[in-house]
Amino acid sequence: AQSVTQPDIHITVSEGASLELRCNYSYGATPYLFWYVQSPGQGLQLLLKYFSGDTLVQGIKGFEAEFKRSQSSFNLRKPSVHWSDAAEYFCAVALSNFGNEKLTFGTGTRLTIIP
Amino acid sequence: KAGVTQTPRYLIKTRGQQVTLSCSPISGHRSVSWYQQTPGQGLQFLFEYFSETQRNKGNFPGRFSGRQFSNSRSEMNVSTLELGDSALYLCASSRDGQETQYFGPGTRLLVL
Repeated sequence: AQSVTQPDIHITVSEGASLELRCNYSYGATPYLFWYVQSPGQGLQLLLKYFSGDTLVQGIKGFEAEFKRSQSSFNLRKPSVHWSDAAEYFCAVALSNFGNEKLTFGTGTRLTIIP
Repeated sequence: KAGVTQTPRYLIKTRGQQVTLSCSPISGHRSVSWYQQTPGQGLQFLFEYFSETQRNKGNFPGRFSGRQFSNSRSEMNVSTLELGDSALYLCASSRDGQETQYFGPGTRLLVL
């Protein structure tokens, strides 16, 4: 069964510093890959996605992610974080088969920003 | 274009009762998926509906059911509520096939 691992439960970063959130997946083929962000009490907002093609994907709010097939990873990065980036971040995968709209999520990484 | 909407946003029920949650997808989206989010289990897939048919189902007991209407709106029902059903229930919609899922704000259910 496919699985997603986010090894960091909680990360604290100073405002203006760079950020990298890790995500590893386990699946026989290359799945569709997503990063979502969730602010307290809110739903999930899509940051970016990877289906195929260029392995460096640009998203909203200045985020990017790089797909590395050899490492089964899809890490999220931002060069300079803002206080408003404090939230919980979820990596998710979906099977790349038509008719299988199930997302499998990682356990999430909570991001705290300090001044 | 309006996003995914979910009603109600908050709900308090007692054990043994049943509850119905509603989800209106983005216009033009025909697939609706439901997820349960709890601190202990994280985000778990409940089921997915496409063109009024359940196409995928997660590992939840039969107390959890859903349906989809011809306008793609979906409802989720939980019967005989248990304390452990307290959660944020998220609905997501997407177009045909392997498209990106867009999430609503969720319905927070508290079972007392």
